[in-house]
Amino acid sequence: DIQMTQSPSSVSASVGDRVTITCRASQGISSWLAWYQHKPGKAPKLLIYSASSLHSGVPSRFSGSGSGTDFTLTISSLQPEDFATYYCQQANSFPITFGQGTRLENK
Amino acid sequence: ELQLLESGGGLVQPGGSLRLSCAASGFTFSSYAMSWVRQAPGKGLEWVSGISGSGTSTNYADSVKGRFTISRDNSKNTLYLQMNSLRAEDTALYYCVKLSLLGGPSAVNFWGQGALVTVSS
Repeated sequence: DIQMTQSPSSVSASVGDRVTITCRASQGISSWLAWYQHKPGKAPKLLIYSASSLHSGVPSRFSGSGSGTDFTLTISSLQPEDFATYYCQQANSFPITFGQGTRLENK
Repeated sequence: ELQLLESGGGLVQPGGSLRLSCAASGFTFSSYAMSWVRQAPGKGLEWVSGISGSGTSTNYADSVKGRFTISRDNSKNTLYLQMNSLRAEDTALYYCVKLSLLGGPSAVNFWGQGALVTVSS
């Protein structure tokens, strides 16, 4: 199985900050990576697919990059509604696996 | 409007069985692979099982293999998860999710609101 490791596990930031979350796969997954935002009591939402493609309706302050084993999610200017937990997910092979999550908190 | 509506969750004793259903609407159900993803209390997301659009190909996480069975009825636009030999560690919110492709692993582009399964005596 492909293991997905996110860092950091949690991060504190302020509105307007630039935030970067990283995700590392235990083996190469090309660009088969997605990023999700999850808020308590809500269903997760897809942000990025194929490592760098923005899902429909997602604000352009979100961006993704990387290929192979190392990936990043960047929020260019943090907004109040962005405080949430973020997950990466590999879509290269079954079983589908998620990172452990990164909790983005208000500083 | 795209909708995924889960049902069938509840409280069950260890060793018991439960069947989750997910009624889909707003898209061509048979054209997309579907999966179940769960989140245990205080934990992260865990993919449980997936099925191709035709229903001919299925996959499972090792943690549920041999105990859970995924299926779909494309005539009813409904996804199922039969859960047998339930354990306390199966306690979680179970999400029905739509994948972005017909078959194989892919990104989840829509999530249901979830069905809560509690395994406890």
